[in-house]
Amino acid sequence: KNEVEQSPQNLTAQEGEFITINCSYSVGISALHWLQQHPGGGIVSLFMLSSGKKKHGRLIATINIQEKHSSLHITASHPRDSAVYICAVGLVNTGNQFYFGTGTSLTVIP
Amino acid sequence: NAGVTQTPKFRVLKTGQSMTLLCAQDMNHEYMYWYRQDPGMGLRLIHYSVGEGTTAKGEVPDGYNVSRLKKQNFLLGLESAAPSQTSVYFCASSFHKGYEQYFGPGTRLTVT
Repeated sequence: KNEVEQSPQNLTAQEGEFITINCSYSVGISALHWLQQHPGGGIVSLFMLSSGKKKHGRLIATINIQEKHSSLHITASHPRDSAVYICAVGLVNTGNQFYFGTGTSLTVIP
Repeated sequence: NAGVTQTPKFRVLKTGQSMTLLCAQDMNHEYMYWYRQDPGMGLRLIHYSVGEGTTAKGEVPDGYNVSRLKKQNFLLGLESAAPSQTSVYFCASSFHKGYEQYFGPGTRLTVT
């Protein structure tokens, strides 16, 4: 079963470009989590949101509850943004569990 | 603060051997999780704990056991390792349900 779908799977961008990564889910959620996995394997939390929009530096995350969709935007992309970006959702009926997408692999070329 | 640490970082086991992975967090978090990450798949929850002395099954619990004797530690055990358990294992913790999760650096396990 695939509660979470991410697109695109792979993305290559030139330095400075505006980047959008999408996450769609199929059922009601309690929260949505965006994470970044570095090439070395470490996973870092970027945002947790259940409504609206959050911004941190060059990163912006939005969520549309009615459309069951979230986007992660990166403005003025930089090679150090190259990583896998993962979306995870906490479903209303599963309490403590998060379900993770397979990730979007981003490469930013200088 | 060290955050979330995992021991060991790498391990190779033969089929049938047993081992324990240790996760430790110094953030006084109530919730702790064990995930596995396999190529082409999202992180999948093995077991989790909502507090000291409690454990619960996640999405893929078969072949694993866990214990949370102390709030800061969450142990993942493999009693009889199988090649299908070759994976990267991540531990995570969160203050409470619905809060962001903090991840350890991962343990790469190979079962031959």
